[in-house]
Amino acid sequence: DTEVTQTPKHLVMGMTNKKSLKCEQHMGHRAMYWYKQKAKKPPELMFVYSYEKLSINESVPSRFSPECPNSSLLNLHLHALQPEDSALYLCASSQDPGDYTGELFFGEGSRLTVL
Amino acid sequence: DQQVKQNSPSLSVQEGRISILNCDYTNSMFDYFLWYKKYPAEGPTFLISISSIKDKNEDGRFTVFLNKSAKHLSLHIVPSQPGDSAVYFCAASAMDSNYQLIWGAGTKLIIKP
Repeated sequence: DTEVTQTPKHLVMGMTNKKSLKCEQHMGHRAMYWYKQKAKKPPELMFVYSYEKLSINESVPSRFSPECPNSSLLNLHLHALQPEDSALYLCASSQDPGDYTGELFFGEGSRLTVL
Repeated sequence: DQQVKQNSPSLSVQEGRISILNCDYTNSMFDYFLWYKKYPAEGPTFLISISSIKDKNEDGRFTVFLNKSAKHLSLHIVPSQPGDSAVYFCAASAMDSNYQLIWGAGTKLIIKP
């Protein structure tokens, strides 16, 4: 199993809603990532989890709250988002934290629209 | 300050010919360089990488060349196929960036029949 699975594929939410994005991998990878991607832009790193602990938070607003319940799962909790938060949210994993080869395995993404 | 630059937003190539995608960088401390391919509404897929101690890496139709003195790398695809039409991102990693990827803006490759 070489897949990173993300659910839901599409999400529409209002600015007062609370929702969550979910990510799962069964490759035994010990680093998991959340990226945000806007149209025609490269992926933008949000959070990195190493061995289930948050190791990097790229100054992301607190309305985005990550959670890593176990080594296979990664969640992104969303609350009080703004329309400009609409984007493709990508989950990725890599074998080892600090893996300098940079080979990330990405999920297909969750397309988020904030109304 | 963009550390990784892809100056061509798009490139159009005839099927069967060679596609050459270019990438320039400014940080001489980069250890690894990677190319990712992305189809619309999908996540990026790792394509090929090269260590800073090498100048060429080949994998099937894909070859990456690294010119450290010019701080330039390129991805060659030959022969180009319709399925190669996608956005290609150049990325780099360095120990002093905690090995997190620094991404270029991407080049959209269109393979014409």
